[in-house]
Order: sequence, then C-alpha cells, then structure tokens
Amino acid sequence: GAGVSQSPRYKVAKRGQDVALRCDPISGHVSLFWYQQALGQGPEFLTYFQNEAQLDKSGLPSDRFFAERPEGSVSTLKIQRTQQEDSAVYLCASSPRASGRRGETQYFGPGTRLLVL
Amino acid sequence: GENVEQHPSTLSVQEGDSAVIKCTYSDSASNYFPWYKQELGKRPQLIIDIRSNVGEKKDQRIAVTLNKTAKHFSLHITETQPEDSAVYFCAAPGYSTLTFGKGTMLLVSP
Repeated sequence: GAGVSQSPRYKVAKRGQDVALRCDPISGHVSLFWYQQALGQGPEFLTYFQNEAQLDKSGLPSDRFFAERPEGSVSTLKIQRTQQEDSAVYLCASSPRASGRRGETQYFGPGTRLLVL
Repeated sequence: GENVEQHPSTLSVQEGDSAVIKCTYSDSASNYFPWYKQELGKRPQLIIDIRSNVGEKKDQRIAVTLNKTAKHFSLHITETQPEDSAVYFCAAPGYSTLTFGKGTMLLVSP
C-alpha cells in the first residue's frame, strides 16, 4: 500500500513568511509524529498525535510552531514568521498503534526540506 | 527522558568487511530498539529492530544484539557492500516517541 507522503518536498521561504507542511500518514495509522532533522543530525522530536489528539508537543521549539490533525488522518505543521534557524528537513512518521513506553515501529515520509533565506 | 548515544559517528570499511555500530541508552524501562538506514536525501527506513525479550536478532547480513544489563545495543553488518553506504540511526522509546542517536555515516569502499 501507499506509504507516508509529505508535501511540498522542497520549500524556500523568505525570513518572516509563514509556511505550512502537510503529512499524509499510512491509512488507518493511529499515531503521527513530526520530527526536525538538521543536516548531519538524527531526527529530533517535535510533536505527537494519537488520532486527532495532540498528546505531546514538548519538542516544538517555540510558539511559532503549530501542528494539527483535525480529523485524525492528515496533519499540518505550520511555522509562523520563519527564521533562518528553522531551515531543516521536517519528517513525518506514522505508526499503526498508540505510542508509549512499549515503543512502536514508525514509518517515515520523505520529508520536506525547508530553506529560509 | 531517554538519552541515546551512538558511536562511531563515521565508519569506513572495505567491501566484504564487517561493520559494527554501537548505541547506549539511559532508561532501563526501554524495551524496543529499532535501527534505521537513511540514504542521502531519502527517508529513514527501518532495517531491523529488537525487543527486550531477546538478546539477538538476525536478518540475512544484518544482526542486532542487546545487552539490557549494560543498556547497550549494537548493529552488525557482515559482508558489507557499496550499497550499504548510508547513515544509520539507532533509537529507543521515550515517553511518547522514539529518541534517536546522532547517526553513523557508513562508507563501504569497493
């Protein structure tokens, strides 16, 4: 079946612009995660949804970052007033079951590469 | 929260040699340890994982070993091939997600 998809694949924004990044998880997957990956680094957690509920947003770096998953499927990560330090790859991942201490396999999308000039 | 350390950061081997990447974690309650491979510009892809009820798992040329007492786990790749060249990430479960290591860039020379 179809994997996790993300759009756009590339985004160039001028400093101060707002951007919206979309994630389509694998159909039926309960959990959805957003990560930020800087060049040469591992994915860093931003936020976690279980269905439509945002259960953990502890990784969002500032109040300029906002995420939603209103119907429990597609999710959007919005960054307001972008700054140069926001330049990174934003990865979305989904998992068939609720996440937690047990740990579940996560399936990643191809990412959106954001460049803020 | 969980803290994951990964070593080495880069690893160069000759084709046919073995490669070993090691990770340590901090939370003794963690019980799921996946390894992801990420080629340049591509998505991270799960290559193997292990749960804490076993000490070793193999899949063809890839194996993962787990030592819960010492809180470390390792990825072993035998008979390396040029197409194994990529960045490899280990991970362990945190409160609600996975915490990733910083990655190991593996370069396999023909």
